[in-house]
Amino acid sequence: QIVLTQSPAIMSASPGEKVTMTCSASSSVSYMHWYQQKSGTSPKRWIYDTSKLASGVPARFSGSGSGTSYSLTISSMEAEDAATYYCQQWSSNPPTFGAGTKLELK
Amino acid sequence: EVQLQESGPSLVKPSQTLSLTCSVTGDSITSGYWNWIRKFPGNKLEYMGYISYSGSTYYNPSLKSRISITRDTSKNQYYLQLNSVTTEDTATYYCARVILLREGFAYWGQGTLVTVSA
Repeated sequence: QIVLTQSPAIMSASPGEKVTMTCSASSSVSYMHWYQQKSGTSPKRWIYDTSKLASGVPARFSGSGSGTSYSLTISSMEAEDAATYYCQQWSSNPPTFGAGTKLELK
Repeated sequence: EVQLQESGPSLVKPSQTLSLTCSVTGDSITSGYWNWIRKFPGNKLEYMGYISYSGSTYYNPSLKSRISITRDTSKNQYYLQLNSVTTEDTATYYCARVILLREGFAYWGQGTLVTVSA
C-alpha cells in the first residue's frame, strides 16, 4: 500500500503568518485530498483533487503538488485554522491517510 | 444535504463481533460508494472498506478475513461487521460517502466510539 508521510507532525503559526505543510507519497499518486479535523468532530473534506477547495473553505487555503509530493498552504493564518490536517490518496487500493499535521495557533 | 449517522454498541467484548449501522438521509445508497473508516486513539486513520451503488464490496486487505459490509436499500442503511475483535480494534468508527474517487470523502457521519474491553 502507499504510505503517506506528513511533515511536520506539529507546527505553530502566528495570526497572519504563511503556513505550508507537506505530504510525501511512497509511490506516485494522481491526486491528493486533504481533510481538516478539530477535536471532537469528524474530519471535513477541505481540499480535494490536489487543488480544489471544498465548499465553504476560505480562499486563503490552497493545495498543490504532483507525483509523490503534495502540499497545503495557508496564505495568512487565522485562529480558526488551528486543527489537524490529514492527506489521503486513492490512486491505488487500499486508500490511505497520512498521520496528520497538527497546526496550533502561536 | 446528505447526512450519515452511525449507531451501535459502544462496548464490545474481545473475540466478539462489532456491528454498526450507518443511516443515510438526503440521498440513496444506490448511488456512490459507502465507506467505513476508523480512527484509533493515537489519531491514525484507517480505511476499512466500502459497499458500492451496485452492492459490490471492497475490503482493506489488512481486515479482509474479519470484515463484512452489507446494506438494506429499503431502509437506506448500510452495516459494518468486524469479527473476532481485540482491544486493538478500539477506535472511533465513521461512515463516509464518496461519489467519485477523485473527489474524496465528501460526507462523514459524526463517528461512534467503540471500546473493546472485557
